[in-house]
Amino acid sequence: GAGVSQSPSNKVTEKGKDVELRCDPISGHTALYWYRQSLGQGLEFLIYFQGNSAPDKSGLPSDRFSAERTGGSVSTLTIQRTQQEDSAVYLCASSLRPGLNSNQPQHFGDGTRLSIL
Amino acid sequence: AQSVAQPEDQVNVAEGNPLTVKCTYSVSGNPYLFWYVQYPNRGLQFLLKYITGDNLVKGSYGFEAEFNKSQTSFHLKKPSALVSDSALYFCAVRDRNSGNTPLVFGKGTRLSVIA
Repeated sequence: GAGVSQSPSNKVTEKGKDVELRCDPISGHTALYWYRQSLGQGLEFLIYFQGNSAPDKSGLPSDRFSAERTGGSVSTLTIQRTQQEDSAVYLCASSLRPGLNSNQPQHFGDGTRLSIL
Repeated sequence: AQSVAQPEDQVNVAEGNPLTVKCTYSVSGNPYLFWYVQYPNRGLQFLLKYITGDNLVKGSYGFEAEFNKSQTSFHLKKPSALVSDSALYFCAVRDRNSGNTPLVFGKGTRLSVIA
């Protein structure tokens, strides 16, 4: 597709359940990022994939959070045993391989709005 | 460490008046700077970026931003605001030597343009 695609757009689930959020980056983009945006807050970095390199997981808030990127394209963010504080909008972004310069903007999907009851 | 400060949570401006949304940054080296806009229930849309050269950068929808190295600022501007410009605006920075690492974002400034 033309842009970053995220699914589902909305997810409501009960506390304690596991959820999976999906991100399809722009074709040809080798870098993929997950962010979390809580109500009225800025963006909190979660995890970053660049090509075949080991992902940067430094932003994951707990071991309940994990992410995979299969075949260098689609990514899945998994939250296990969800808590009410996990309620937020989860945004995915992708960008081109930087080459010699790191001035590539990130292109964002519309996010998944997660509500934990 | 990299950081971005957007000192105003909210900016109100009358339609037709000029607008400014402020941003200051901190990086150890030289920065790449970005502005994004977020409309309700949407992701962030790229507006413009500063790489090098001319300190005044022009972007989408008539927005521009001025890079000021001595003041470590990158304020977003528009000569004449439209009601449709009302949205949440984010400033972001990346150190030039940090590869394709995630952008560091400010907390956002909500712009309200009043007719």
